[in-house]
Amino acid sequence: DGGITQSPKYLFRKEGQNVTLSCEQNLNHDAMYWYRQDPGQGLRLIYYSQIVNDFQKGDIAEGYSVSREKKESFPLTVTSAQKNPTAFYLCASSIGGGQGASEQYFGPGTRLTVT
Amino acid sequence: SQKIEQNSEALNIQEGKTATLTCNYTNYSPAYLQWYRQDPGRGPVFLLLIRENEKEKRKERLKVTFDTTLKQSLFHITASQPADSATYLCALVRQAGTALIFGKGTTLSVSS
Repeated sequence: DGGITQSPKYLFRKEGQNVTLSCEQNLNHDAMYWYRQDPGQGLRLIYYSQIVNDFQKGDIAEGYSVSREKKESFPLTVTSAQKNPTAFYLCASSIGGGQGASEQYFGPGTRLTVT
Repeated sequence: SQKIEQNSEALNIQEGKTATLTCNYTNYSPAYLQWYRQDPGRGPVFLLLIRENEKEKRKERLKVTFDTTLKQSLFHITASQPADSATYLCALVRQAGTALIFGKGTTLSVSS
């Protein structure tokens, strides 16, 4: 059953702690993305990766870090430097490889609450 | 900078009517545009893609138009049903790569 998974669905952390959100896909897609969604803000791009061992900053990368050591996995770390980390985080993947017209497949999202 | 706007945050219509959602963009000439559906608390789901050389595209009760002169796309749902109630997002590819820019979305409510 192909798809993209994110875990956990809900995550609670204390302020000042780093937290890592998981994203895994078995669609054999080259490109993967992380978005943040806040009420009334739409989806904002945090980081994206078009190929293993390479990634680029999106519009709001400050306070976040990623790695892409495997094609299937693109974990996102929310660091203590992120001033407003509470949000709904969405991971997506696409065929990529320069095929800019490809649709993106989204995971179910992780809702992070930091208090 | 590239900017994408969806004309209204919310649209309320009666069952059976046609819903029309608008997506406008500026400072850009995208080669294609995509539409997604998002239900509350879930990830968006791809619906349709339309290229700049396609004026119109259809899929079941959905129709998308793309006017590169007006820099606008219209998304129509005909014979709307309460199950069509959701937020609809339009998205354009960024100039520098394959990442997308998303509009803020229009939340459609279809009442029976």
